[in-house]
Amino acid sequence: EDKVVQSPLSLVVHEGDTVTLNCSYEVTNFRSLLWYKQEKKAPTFLFMLTSSGIEKKSGRLSSILDKKELFSILNITATQTGDSAVYLCAVEARIMNNNAGNMLTFGGGTRLMVKP
Amino acid sequence: DAGVTQSPTHLIKTRGQQVTLRCSPKSGHDTVSWYQQALGQGPQFIFQYYEEEERQRGNFPDRFSGHQFPNYSSELNVNALLLGDSALYLCASSLFNEQFFGPGTRLTVL
Repeated sequence: EDKVVQSPLSLVVHEGDTVTLNCSYEVTNFRSLLWYKQEKKAPTFLFMLTSSGIEKKSGRLSSILDKKELFSILNITATQTGDSAVYLCAVEARIMNNNAGNMLTFGGGTRLMVKP
Repeated sequence: DAGVTQSPTHLIKTRGQQVTLRCSPKSGHDTVSWYQQALGQGPQFIFQYYEEEERQRGNFPDRFSGHQFPNYSSELNVNALLLGDSALYLCASSLFNEQFFGPGTRLTVL
């Protein structure tokens, strides 16, 4: 059974701190790993990672994937109160016998709270 | 360009009742996936629809069923509601890979 585990479960930091969120996975027919930010309802897309060792960056956020060790990290530097949210890691697996199909297996999320 | 829309926003039902949730995909998207997110947990895959057929199903009982219409919109039906069905139900649409999520429907079962 596909499995995605995120750590820590929750994190409280102060503005300006740097945080690292972890995601490990065991998935059959791996296609990609995705990070989402969920503030109230709809998860919003942050990154999609398909290749090992290539860092993706967007402003203060960055992420990297290690396909050999089956994990990914999401870094947030110079945190702001607006970064407070649940961060979800999901692994996309190819649907068996159907190259066009895909499904996401999510981890339980890391709840980040940034205090002023 | 409207993103993924879902209706209703909130819903309260009692045990044993049936419920239908609706999803309109992002313009141009032909694939719709449904997820259940219990409080404090990550979303869990229910099923995916493409070309009006269920393409893949997660570990959910037959009480959960769906439909996709020719305009790619979709419905999620849940029969014989249980207290444990209380959750945020998310719809995601995609054309190839990246899935865009709607705001969800919060279902409360009393």
